[in-house]
Amino acid sequence: GESVGLHLPTLSVQEGDNSIINCAYSNSASDYFIWYKQESGKGPQFIIDIRSNMDKRQGQRVTVLLNKTVKHLSLQIAATQPGDSAVYFCAENQGSTLGRLYFGRGTQLTVWP
Amino acid sequence: KAGVTQTPRYLIKTRGQQVTLSCSPISGHRSVSWYQQTPGQGLQFLFEYFSETQRNKGNFPGRFSGRQFSNSRSEMNVSTLELGDSALYLCASSAGLAGAIRDTQYFGPGTRLTVL
Repeated sequence: GESVGLHLPTLSVQEGDNSIINCAYSNSASDYFIWYKQESGKGPQFIIDIRSNMDKRQGQRVTVLLNKTVKHLSLQIAATQPGDSAVYFCAENQGSTLGRLYFGRGTQLTVWP
Repeated sequence: KAGVTQTPRYLIKTRGQQVTLSCSPISGHRSVSWYQQTPGQGLQFLFEYFSETQRNKGNFPGRFSGRQFSNSRSEMNVSTLELGDSALYLCASSAGLAGAIRDTQYFGPGTRLTVL
């Protein structure tokens, strides 16, 4: 079964606020994690990734935090915009299974003006 | 670079028929993975091909099959369609090299299959 899960199925924020989307994983062998954004009618779009030898990685307006001790991953979006409204998935890859990602259920982020 | 392309974008079939979906990876990518996305089950891994060989397989029945060509393009086939096969089928490509620091998968727009 899937080893990656999400704490909250929906998240509503006001435009300009920061958003935090959480993800839990259970497989200690997971060594690579990716966040994807999926808009309605489209395929998942790569946002940011992180290797297990890192705790934090920053991109443009996004930061991913990895806590291996509690097997927790989070995506922080700064100054959330209406265009950020989408479903966000975390995915993990276990080094022994190249080409296979395990996905969480997804969090629906809605940004209100 | 062009992204991952999938054809057709939409398909309507009836139970018992078979269907073939196509995926063209990003230029230079040798790994193609297929996923099924449904509201109830989320994103589930079907299989992955690398250099024309199936390298990984998910827990789907044998009605689901695939192949990869020498140019890395991939097809998946579903035979004897069932109502439950209605889903968005996504393919993703990556470099797929063992030992790579990051093997990011990039997704196509998907093929929406409806089985009546």
